[in-house]
Amino acid sequence: QVQLQESGPGLVKPSETLSLTCTVSGGSISGYYWSWIRQPPGKGLEWIGYIYYIGSTSYNPSLKSRVIISVDTSKNQFSLKLTSVTAADTAVYYCAREGRSAYAGAFDIWGQGTMVTVSS
Amino acid sequence: DIQMTQSPSSLSASVGDRVTITCQASQDISNYLNWYQQKPGKAPKVLIYDASNLETGVPSRFSGSGSGTDFTFTINSLQPEDIATYYCQQFDSLPYTFGQGTKLDIK
Repeated sequence: QVQLQESGPGLVKPSETLSLTCTVSGGSISGYYWSWIRQPPGKGLEWIGYIYYIGSTSYNPSLKSRVIISVDTSKNQFSLKLTSVTAADTAVYYCAREGRSAYAGAFDIWGQGTMVTVSS
Repeated sequence: DIQMTQSPSSLSASVGDRVTITCQASQDISNYLNWYQQKPGKAPKVLIYDASNLETGVPSRFSGSGSGTDFTFTINSLQPEDIATYYCQQFDSLPYTFGQGTKLDIK
């Protein structure tokens, strides 16, 4: 079955760029929307944005000026870059697949999440 | 952005109890609402999609209802393994938004 795995540094310095990659295994990245979602420690879920497999994107306006999501279909991966990070960006970052057809709008498959701490 | 307001924020119940969580949207979202369960240290898992459809493999004690702005999530006969935080999520319009969560524990 399809599995997602996040990878990237667990520690990022303030003002630098957070970079994460999500690798899709057990299935193709084609045909789906792929999202990044984050969760600060002890808090709720925040949708960061998504990318369609052909490269079109949509971002949360609260982060739009700092976010870039890209896709590499040849590697079955998509990536997140978040610039100018501060301590408020410390969170568990999840990648997730949005389902199709009846499941459109629902995140039906999630990665395990990766904790990113912003600290000097 | 559409604001999703869940209540209560926390809830303590006994095994076998019926548990109800509500979610209110700041505007009409039709039935474009999902419910997730998140256990500590784990990713969320979708339980209910399109407000009332049970995800494959999810026990039938879980159910959802509602449309427009008011939604309800119910667990009939609470089980110990249901201890988790539950979130609603709207997908009527971007950005997708989640409720603040309801933390459920056993009395």
